[in-house]
Amino acid sequence: AQSVTQLDSQVPVFEEAPVELRCNYSSSVSVYLFWYVQYPNQGLQLLLKYLSGSTLVKGINGFEAEFNKSQTSFHLRKPSVHISDTAEYFCAVRDSSYKLIFGSGTRLLVRP
Amino acid sequence: NAGVTQTPKFRVLKTGQSMTLLCAQDMNHEYMYWYRQDPGMGLRLIHYSVGEGTTAKGEVPDGYNVSRLKKQNFLLGLESAAPSQTSVYFCASSSGSNQPQHFGDGTRLSIL
Repeated sequence: AQSVTQLDSQVPVFEEAPVELRCNYSSSVSVYLFWYVQYPNQGLQLLLKYLSGSTLVKGINGFEAEFNKSQTSFHLRKPSVHISDTAEYFCAVRDSSYKLIFGSGTRLLVRP
Repeated sequence: NAGVTQTPKFRVLKTGQSMTLLCAQDMNHEYMYWYRQDPGMGLRLIHYSVGEGTTAKGEVPDGYNVSRLKKQNFLLGLESAAPSQTSVYFCASSSGSNQPQHFGDGTRLSIL
């Protein structure tokens, strides 16, 4: 069965510093990966997706992620964060039944 | 641009009461989903639908029922609410199994 692991439950970082949010997956089928962001009291919004092609995927708000098949990872990065990036971030993988399996989430806390 | 609309936004129930959560989407999407979000557990799929008139069980279906009588609506029912069903419920829709899911803003449900 497919699964997603987000090892960091919370990542504190200072404004304008770089950040990496880690995501590892297990999948026995073709891999489709997603990152979603959830701002307080809102639903999830798609940040970026990997379906095929280039392993470096660029998303909204300056975020990017790199698909690494050998390490089964899909880490999310941003070179310089803003206070407004404070939110919870979810990694997800599509499973063999075409459903999304979500990680437990990483709370990004950007401090001034 | 309504997207995915969930009704109600908040509700408090007593144990044993029943209620229905409504999800409506105006994007003509075939796929619709109901998730619950609990602290530290990410999102877990309750039920989903791949088209009008069809429903299927997700990861945590017990205690819930769903119906998809119209393509744009997906209803989630709790027949006899239990405190363990206290959660935030999210509805989502997508145009296909590989396509990103669009989320509503959630329904916060408390069962006393």
